[in-house]
Amino acid sequence: ETGVTQTPRHLVMGMTNKKSLKCEQHLGHNAMYWYKQSAKKPLELMFVYNFKEQTENNSVPSRFSPECPNSSHLFLHLHTLQPEDSALYLCASSQVEGGGRSSTDTQYFGPGTRLTVL
Amino acid sequence: AQKITQTQPGMFVQEKEAVTLDCTYDTSDPSYGLFWYKQPSSGEMIFLIYQGSYDQQNATEGRYSLNFQKARKSANLVISASQLGDSAMYFCAMREANSGNTPLVFGKGTRLSVIA
Repeated sequence: ETGVTQTPRHLVMGMTNKKSLKCEQHLGHNAMYWYKQSAKKPLELMFVYNFKEQTENNSVPSRFSPECPNSSHLFLHLHTLQPEDSALYLCASSQVEGGGRSSTDTQYFGPGTRLTVL
Repeated sequence: AQKITQTQPGMFVQEKEAVTLDCTYDTSDPSYGLFWYKQPSSGEMIFLIYQGSYDQQNATEGRYSLNFQKARKSANLVISASQLGDSAMYFCAMREANSGNTPLVFGKGTRLSVIA
């Protein structure tokens, strides 16, 4: 596997289900990200992990719970979601230099998980 | 205020022609980076090209070039010799260096359709 992979690619779940999205990066990066992409909205950053430590949480509801066990893997645990949570969830990774104060870090994205909440 | 503005919701271009996708940005940080990504219907965001605020020359990557006009705060993407496979959403994004660990801020995107 190369680049950034995400599983599953498609997920349909009921509001009472619990599921997890998985992301794995094979680029040797030290930072990973979760984004949400809804129809007709810009890409929204959800969570950032630098060196396995969560450094950003953009007011995301607690029904989304991230986990970063190591620098290569990132999970997004989902429970009691709402229909408006239906979206494309994208994972990305980058190599953060300079303590995060660099403009050059390029983020590389996975193919996304298309989530539908019924 | 929006940090990244892409004013063209949709664009059409004839195959083999060149096309320019517009992007303007807003920042007071002297150090920043500008990125363009392509998103086909499959969903994956594909990194295309990067321009740093201190770069003297416009960035180029194959058929992609970035027309960087710093005084106007614009970073337009130029695709030369368009191909049918170029049909996709294109996103402009910016990262400011001095805003801590602030990640990318994306524009709303432009949908490019290449016509045979």
